[in-house]
Amino acid sequence: AQKITQTQPGMFVQEKEAVTLDCTYDTSDPSYGLFWYKQPSSGEMIFLIYQGSYDQQNATEGRYSLNFQKARKSANLVISASQLGDSAMYFCAMREPSGSARQLTFGSGTQLTVLP
Amino acid sequence: EADIYQTPRYLVIGTGKKITLECSQTMGHDKMYWYQQDPGMELHLIHYSYGVNSTEKGDLSSESTVSRIRTEHFPLTLESARPSHTSQYLCASGLTEDYGYTFGSGTRLTVV
Repeated sequence: AQKITQTQPGMFVQEKEAVTLDCTYDTSDPSYGLFWYKQPSSGEMIFLIYQGSYDQQNATEGRYSLNFQKARKSANLVISASQLGDSAMYFCAMREPSGSARQLTFGSGTQLTVLP
Repeated sequence: EADIYQTPRYLVIGTGKKITLECSQTMGHDKMYWYQQDPGMELHLIHYSYGVNSTEKGDLSSESTVSRIRTEHFPLTLESARPSHTSQYLCASGLTEDYGYTFGSGTRLTVV
């Protein structure tokens, strides 16, 4: 079963507008972490934002915020005031205990294109 | 300035050749990881290490092998490359699980 689901293969947004990228997750563990990464066409993975399962407030980092709805098991990324440089692939990921392997599991990604 | 380095950035190699993809980090992280990613697709964990002389296989079966003789170095080796190994390989390291990994810039491998 998919642990991380990103249902939007591609999204378009006008420059300076806000955009929400969807992410839902599946875990039975009460302790987990959720991450968003940006991958430009050059291929490197850039860490954007982190939300812990016990965090009371939604995480924010500059123009990025994470809309964390625990009961719905969703962790959507909101990018405010989109810029042309935001065009990239965005991956949602989850860290959960799995034996001793606390590694990240990634979703299939959303390709965001910012239009001028 | 990158704190985790992968070389080579691009590699085109013939079938049957032995290759080693290098990954080094200067942050003193104990935890290191190798992910495989086909173009436009999700990342799959193929190997990880929690410290020197510790290596484990990840979720995705891979014919590659890894070693961790020094904290800062986590090379990945393919003994006999095949076209099915064509992919991008991303190395990452982390101090704790609660914060994002730092990724290298990746190696794009093409086996012809």
